[in-house]
Amino acid sequence: DTEVTQTPKHLVMGMTNKKSLKCEQHMGHRAMYWYKQKAKKPPELMFVYSYEKLSINESVPSRFSPECPNSSLLNLHLHALQPEDSALYLCASSQDNGWTEAFFGQGTRLTVV
Amino acid sequence: AQSVTQLDSHVSVSEGTPVLLRCNYSSSYSPSLFWYVQHPNKGLQLLLKYTSAATLVKGINGFEAEFKKSETSFHLTKPSAHMSDAAEYFCVVSLSGGYNKLIFGAGTRLAVHP
Repeated sequence: DTEVTQTPKHLVMGMTNKKSLKCEQHMGHRAMYWYKQKAKKPPELMFVYSYEKLSINESVPSRFSPECPNSSLLNLHLHALQPEDSALYLCASSQDNGWTEAFFGQGTRLTVV
Repeated sequence: AQSVTQLDSHVSVSEGTPVLLRCNYSSSYSPSLFWYVQHPNKGLQLLLKYTSAATLVKGINGFEAEFKKSETSFHLTKPSAHMSDAAEYFCVVSLSGGYNKLIFGAGTRLAVHP
């Protein structure tokens, strides 16, 4: 199984809502990532978890809150988002070194209204 | 610092003709390099990877890339384009450190015409 599964595929939320994005992998990978991708741009790294600990936070606003409950799951909790946060949110996983590829999920298309 | 430059933002080819997508990298040590493809509203799929083994790397769907250290290049090629190859292509370098921090190029949009 080389899949990274993200749910939901699409999400529309108001600026006062609280929602969560979910990501799951069963490849035994110990590094998991959240990326944000705006239209016609490359993905931008938001967070890296390594062995279930937050290793990198790329100065992401606190309205985005990541969580890694176990080695297979990664969540992104959303609260009080702005319309400019509308984007494709991609989850990825990889082995715990820098020489192997990352596997990406299909993404969650988020629209903030 | 590591970086990736994709030399063309758009490439247009006819079906059945060769594809060349150009990528140059900057790295202070031997890098891991990847090409990913992204179809509209989809996630990223790995096409191929270079991790200091053979310099000519073969990937999925007939794509291949050659790592040229002297030119700091990792260009992606395919002998004959297919309509289904139309997509966005990203050249990526890895910044290692116990996890995989990927540095993305700006992307090249490949259009394939009948």
